[in-house]
Amino acid sequence: DAKTTQPPSMDCAEGRAANLPCNHSTISGNEYVYWYRQIHSQGPQYIIHGLKNNETNEMASLIITEDRKSSTLILPHATLRDTAVYYCIVSPKGETSGSRLTFGEGTQLTVNP
Amino acid sequence: DAGITQSPRYKITETGRQVTLMCHQTWSHSYMFWYRQDLGHGLRLIYYSAAADITDKGEVPDGYVVSRSKTENFPLTLESATRSQTSVYFCASKPGLVPRSSYEQYFGPGTRLTVT
Repeated sequence: DAKTTQPPSMDCAEGRAANLPCNHSTISGNEYVYWYRQIHSQGPQYIIHGLKNNETNEMASLIITEDRKSSTLILPHATLRDTAVYYCIVSPKGETSGSRLTFGEGTQLTVNP
Repeated sequence: DAGITQSPRYKITETGRQVTLMCHQTWSHSYMFWYRQDLGHGLRLIYYSAAADITDKGEVPDGYVVSRSKTENFPLTLESATRSQTSVYFCASKPGLVPRSSYEQYFGPGTRLTVT
């Protein structure tokens, strides 16, 4: 599976958009990009995933560059409750996609009032 | 709807003891997973199961045993606990491939295990 690189920490003001980058330059054509987050001491929570088109759901938007070597998770209006560690994960397509997840160190996002 | 539960939530045990952590899900999800998370680090996959009676090793399986006789249960056993196994253990489950939402893993609240 492709390795991902994320900044260790980021800050964001409450109400502003939080843009979390992820580099996955070795991603192959049959691999998805997943995002999970982990609020302190809790189990991780799925946010979104995508292949090559931009994706949006009720939690966030995922922008994947055309060459698929990087992506950005966007929380459009960050709240204090979005303070968490955010993990960018690459996982192959197919029956087991989303199964053998490799969590790196993630990005600690702190939303400030 | 209880979802996915883990027990116990906290456990202190001594080196050399056998410990079993329980995981139960009410969704009849096909996949179940065990991860460990050491302080300040990301999660690492220990074992996973694609269905009842089917299990496979993850990234860090040594020192652990799993079984899955029923779809809803996936116990994790530390046969002879060591201090290096002090960690927070998370169980997760995931539906099969269809529909699209099946790509998502659902995590339990975790078990904090201390081996003295």
